[in-house]
Amino acid sequence: SQQGEEDPQALSIQEGENATMNCSYKTSINNLQWYRQNSGRGLVHLILIRSNEREKHSGRLRVTLDTSKKSSSLLITASRAADTASYFCATVPDTGRRALTFGSGTRLQVQP
Amino acid sequence: ETGVTQTPRHLVMGMTNKKSLKCEQHLGHNAMYWYKQSAKKPLELMFVYSLEERVENNSVPSRFSPECPNSSHLFLHLHTLQPEDSALYLCASSLEGTPQETQYFGPGTRLLVL
Repeated sequence: SQQGEEDPQALSIQEGENATMNCSYKTSINNLQWYRQNSGRGLVHLILIRSNEREKHSGRLRVTLDTSKKSSSLLITASRAADTASYFCATVPDTGRRALTFGSGTRLQVQP
Repeated sequence: ETGVTQTPRHLVMGMTNKKSLKCEQHLGHNAMYWYKQSAKKPLELMFVYSLEERVENNSVPSRFSPECPNSSHLFLHLHTLQPEDSALYLCASSLEGTPQETQYFGPGTRLLVL
């Protein structure tokens, strides 16, 4: 599997429900970031969590990081139709060039 | 609006054409990137420029030629492309040396090679 692999690949929920997406990675990281992409558009940075952090909140977003399992989760609470997008995790390694490596993404569909 | 613009937004070209994609950032960043996004594949990092010097070239075919004349502008010159090069090409920028290394993306150029 690739660095920064999201699970599930696609998720469909009703408005108001919570959406949880998971990301697994392979190498040691400096930080992990989540990005959002509306269809055919550029990516927008949502939230960053450092390797020494376990949980972080930003509005309706909650990110957790488990470095022992090399995994992260993104929780979107009280979802809205406007949250419909693809969500990507990206990792920055803790050594060498600090370039982002992206996963394949989770496609989230929020039904109104 | 992320402060990174790309032109054109859509491009259709034949395999014998030569075209260029342009990216401009207004964020004072010192690193710029080209990514390729194909359907159902992870974003592929193509090129990285740091302080106008190319520091990474991820085995990209020579029919793609990047140019970074200054820290605000980045070009991707295209020639004799193949249909499999059809994809969304994304430009991004960041401020190197910051702890976060968050990247800011442009809206992309949707390329179709006929």
